[in-house]
Amino acid sequence: DGGITQSPKYLFRKEGQNVTLSCEQNLNHDAMYWYRQDPGQGLRLIYYSQIVNDFQKGDIAEGYSVSREKKESFPLTVTSAQKNPTAFYLCASNWAANTDTQYFGPGTRLTVL
Amino acid sequence: LAKTTQPISMDSYEGQEVNITCSHNNIATNDYITWYQQFPSQGPRFIIQGYKTKVTNEVASLFIPADRKSSTLSLPRVSLSDTAVYYCLVGDPSNYQLIWGAGTKLIIKP
Repeated sequence: DGGITQSPKYLFRKEGQNVTLSCEQNLNHDAMYWYRQDPGQGLRLIYYSQIVNDFQKGDIAEGYSVSREKKESFPLTVTSAQKNPTAFYLCASNWAANTDTQYFGPGTRLTVL
Repeated sequence: LAKTTQPISMDSYEGQEVNITCSHNNIATNDYITWYQQFPSQGPRFIIQGYKTKVTNEVASLFIPADRKSSTLSLPRVSLSDTAVYYCLVGDPSNYQLIWGAGTKLIIKP
């Protein structure tokens, strides 16, 4: 059963804490992405990775960090430096040759208390 | 990066054909047009992609005029389950960064 999984589905964090969101794919995709979505708005790109051990900042990378040690995994850490982290976080992946068609995970809703 | 303009919301009734138009005046030669569907608290799902003229798949059709400055997503015979937000994206497949607008919230009524 191929696809993208994200965990947890819901996450609560106290202010000042770092938290890591998981994203795993078994589609053998080269590229992976992290987006943030706020209520009533479109997606904004946080980070993306085209290949293992390489990643680039998107439009809103400040306060976030990522790693890409394995092709299947692209975890996102929301650090205490992110001023307004409460949002819906989406992970996506695709083959590098066709960057428009992205496959999305179910998302993680992060709430900072 | 080409910016897109879509209606904020639309509503229709079950069984009707729904057409959502997207404006992209600054589309570049290498840009493709892609539409996604998103249900609440879920990730977007790819619907259809095209470059010019007309593209059809099992769920939708995409009409693109010759000047490519707009495109229309056509959903035939909608049902209540088609209630969702629909996003139009324009981008070069070699460019990893796409602009996501706020999309069109489509509400289907019984």
